[in-house]
Amino acid sequence: DIQMTQSPSSLSASVGDRVTITCRASQDINNYLAWLQQKPGEAPRSLIYAASTLHSGVPSRFSGSGSGTEFSLTITSLQPEDFATYYCHQYKTYPVTFGGGTKVEMK
Amino acid sequence: EVQLVESGGGLVRPGGSLRLACSVSGFSVSDSYMDWVRQPPGKGLEWVGRSRDKSFSNSIKYAASVQGRFTISRDDSNNLLYLEMNRLNTEDTAVYFCSSQAMTNWGQGTLVTVSS
Repeated sequence: DIQMTQSPSSLSASVGDRVTITCRASQDINNYLAWLQQKPGEAPRSLIYAASTLHSGVPSRFSGSGSGTEFSLTITSLQPEDFATYYCHQYKTYPVTFGGGTKVEMK
Repeated sequence: EVQLVESGGGLVRPGGSLRLACSVSGFSVSDSYMDWVRQPPGKGLEWVGRSRDKSFSNSIKYAASVQGRFTISRDDSNNLLYLEMNRLNTEDTAVYFCSSQAMTNWGQGTLVTVSS
């Protein structure tokens, strides 16, 4: 199975900050990488697929980059509604595997 | 508008069985990748399995942790996705989400608690 490692596991930030979360795959997954956002008590929300393509309706302050084994999610100017947990997942091969999550908390 | 609504969760004894349903509107389950994903309380997301569309012969894939115990099926005429869970154990306690279009859309989840 492909292991997905996210870092950091949590971070504290303020509104307006630039935040970057990284995701590393244990083997080459090309760009078969997606990012999800989840708030407490809610279902996940899809943000990005194919490493860098934003889903419809996702604000442009979110961006994704990377290919192969190293990926990142960047929020250019953190907004109050962005405090949440973020997960990456790979869909290059089965089983689909998720990173452990990054919790973005208010400083 | 795409909507997914899970049902069927509840409390079940270890070794017991439960069937979850995901009612879909806004598209046909037969035309989409449909996934079950679970989340144990306070933990991260775990993929359970996928029903693929007819372009992949409607094949189904499972995580190793549920292979042989869980069965994913579809009722295309009623636009439903099912997750039949047998030989449940305490490690299966989680919120179970259904998801469509390769995890683009998600239901609100249903809680399954396995406890004696």
